[in-house]
Amino acid sequence: QQQVKQSPQSLIVQKGGISIINCAYENTAFDYFPWYQQFPGKGPALLIAIRPDVSEKKEGRFTISFNKSAKQFSLHIMDSQPGDSATYFCAAASSGSARQLTFGSGTQLTVLP
Amino acid sequence: NAGVTQTPKFRVLKTGQSMTLLCAQDMNHEYMYWYRQDPGMGLRLIHYSVGEGTTAKGEVPDGYNVSRLKKQNFLLGLESAAPSQTSVYFCASSFSRSLNTEAFFGQGTRLTVV
Repeated sequence: QQQVKQSPQSLIVQKGGISIINCAYENTAFDYFPWYQQFPGKGPALLIAIRPDVSEKKEGRFTISFNKSAKQFSLHIMDSQPGDSATYFCAAASSGSARQLTFGSGTQLTVLP
Repeated sequence: NAGVTQTPKFRVLKTGQSMTLLCAQDMNHEYMYWYRQDPGMGLRLIHYSVGEGTTAKGEVPDGYNVSRLKKQNFLLGLESAAPSQTSVYFCASSFSRSLNTEAFFGQGTRLTVV
């Protein structure tokens, strides 16, 4: 049972373009939605996160858009750079579950120079 | 500040052998987790702990056991390794009192069972 569905599986973007990764969740108890970035050979690291009381959060070139009624959220990377090439995971957690993270399947982003 | 440290980084096991993966964190976090990462499947939770002396099952606990004898350490054991346990294993920890549940991950252990 995949509670967080992520798409696309892979994404190729030109330098300076916008990268968009989408996720959908099923469990309405989720109240925390982070995005993790993972480089080859490294562990995932928190990139940006949002709680359901806001519809958008921006940190630099990274923006999360959140649609509570549709149970969807997305990551937008503006002005994508080759250094952004990595695997991105969306995730979700609920306060009442020891804050276990349920991850999407990941998106491998390649930004071409 | 080391954060989350996993030992070993690589291991090859024969089917039926046993081993223990060690995770240590120096951030005084209450919560610790073990995940496995497989291609196309993201990270799946194996076991977790909400404090010293407590453990609980995650999404894929079969074939694994864990122990949390000290707050800073979380051990993952494979009693009889199987090829299906070939994976990259990640340990993570988080601070329970934070509403923003940032989990800090180790660098992973790549395990191959032949």
